[in-house]
Amino acid sequence: NAGVMQNPRHLVRRRGQEARLRCSPMKGHSHVYWYRQLPEEGLKFMVYLQKENIIDESGMPKERFSAEFPKEGPSILRIQQVVRGDSAAYFCASSDIQGEAFFGQGTRLTVV
Amino acid sequence: AQTVTQSQPEMSVQEAETVTLSCTYDTSENNYYLFWYKQPPSRQMILVIRQEAYKQQNATENRFSVNFQKAAKSFSLKISDSQLGDTAMYFCAFPFDSGGGADGLTFGKGTHLIIQP
Repeated sequence: NAGVMQNPRHLVRRRGQEARLRCSPMKGHSHVYWYRQLPEEGLKFMVYLQKENIIDESGMPKERFSAEFPKEGPSILRIQQVVRGDSAAYFCASSDIQGEAFFGQGTRLTVV
Repeated sequence: AQTVTQSQPEMSVQEAETVTLSCTYDTSENNYYLFWYKQPPSRQMILVIRQEAYKQQNATENRFSVNFQKAAKSFSLKISDSQLGDTAMYFCAFPFDSGGGADGLTFGKGTHLIIQP
């Protein structure tokens, strides 16, 4: 079991570009979560998805951010028209119905 | 809304000493889990220990144990015989009901623990 896989590990984007972060959950897990970690901060919940459904997006910024978890393939967190304030580490976690979450190693996004 | 508070931004102890990291939380729920996660410099989030609120007994995992006081809403982590590899950020986390059968987590701001040789 390969664990939760996130790629890329590091992503550099210029202001105004789009960032796409990918997350493949652990085998058998149907629940995916995205978190953002700013420097010197804890992780902040962004969105919770199940296959083809957004369950809770209460932590997602209203503009420029979107997430999906299609029937086939990884979950994608998409940030359009990135700004410097989007620079952070983005973590994905997955769980089965029992709820214990396993985390990926994160994607560090740097906006220049 | 649930909140999780870690009041110690940084702690430093000598190797082999015992250290306690504090965490308080606020909730109106009665049955829940609490977690401590470790984040070493590699940034990987690693589950250290989990406590179920309905259990009287404090959870223990080798050198890691908790002091769970439900009435006080306190959930501290004790690390015994600390090792250099314990140096990391430690986050207390509380699940909230996202309505989909599983839970997202609310994290505290973390405590940076440094183990000195």
